[in-house]
Amino acid sequence: DSGVTQTPKHLITATGQRVTLRCSPRSGDLSVYWYQQSLDQGLQFLIQYYNGEERAKGNILERFSAQQFPDLHSELNLSSLELGDSALYFCASSVGQGPSPLHFGNGTRLTVT
Amino acid sequence: ILNVEQSPQSLHVQEGDSTNFTCSFPSSNFYALHWYRWETAKSPEALFVMTLNGDEKKKGRISATLNTKEGYSYLYIKGSQPEDSATYLCASANTGNQFYFGTGTSLTVIP
Repeated sequence: DSGVTQTPKHLITATGQRVTLRCSPRSGDLSVYWYQQSLDQGLQFLIQYYNGEERAKGNILERFSAQQFPDLHSELNLSSLELGDSALYFCASSVGQGPSPLHFGNGTRLTVT
Repeated sequence: ILNVEQSPQSLHVQEGDSTNFTCSFPSSNFYALHWYRWETAKSPEALFVMTLNGDEKKKGRISATLNTKEGYSYLYIKGSQPEDSATYLCASANTGNQFYFGTGTSLTVIP
């Protein structure tokens, strides 16, 4: 058990809808990362937060947004969903300082129909 | 965005064989190189974090080396076992602790 909790595990929704994915980082970790894994693709970096502030953005679409709250949990909001947004979304956390490893949640499987 | 490449994409070996795979990454702005093991239906788990040129880390039958000057790392598995079957991911981290992953090497160990 990595200590990172992601909810929900599975999400099925229709095109055009909006969903929110949630992540609670491992206790003591200040940094949260969101990754997307589409079919036959590697882990695509979306966005990183450190102690409530956005630190880096990767290939995140404008329809997607995220935030990290004072209690350090994070939410990833996906709106105007398209079929191509179907993917496995991972949250990972780390201490955020120094060369510390990432601890991954079990992912949220999003299916857009 | 860093371009991290892994080879081969997939590998099938017999139980007991030793094997290795490669991760190449841009050496500019390098901070750390990570290896993760990702079993089917699970989430990636950290194997090694390496920072120094010439670094070598070992965990049981698995070891890794790092060459930061030329931008590559090798992962070695000695005497592969069926439970080693997984996708092995490497990620290069820059000084801002942003991680960029390769697409992984999928290892299947045939009993």
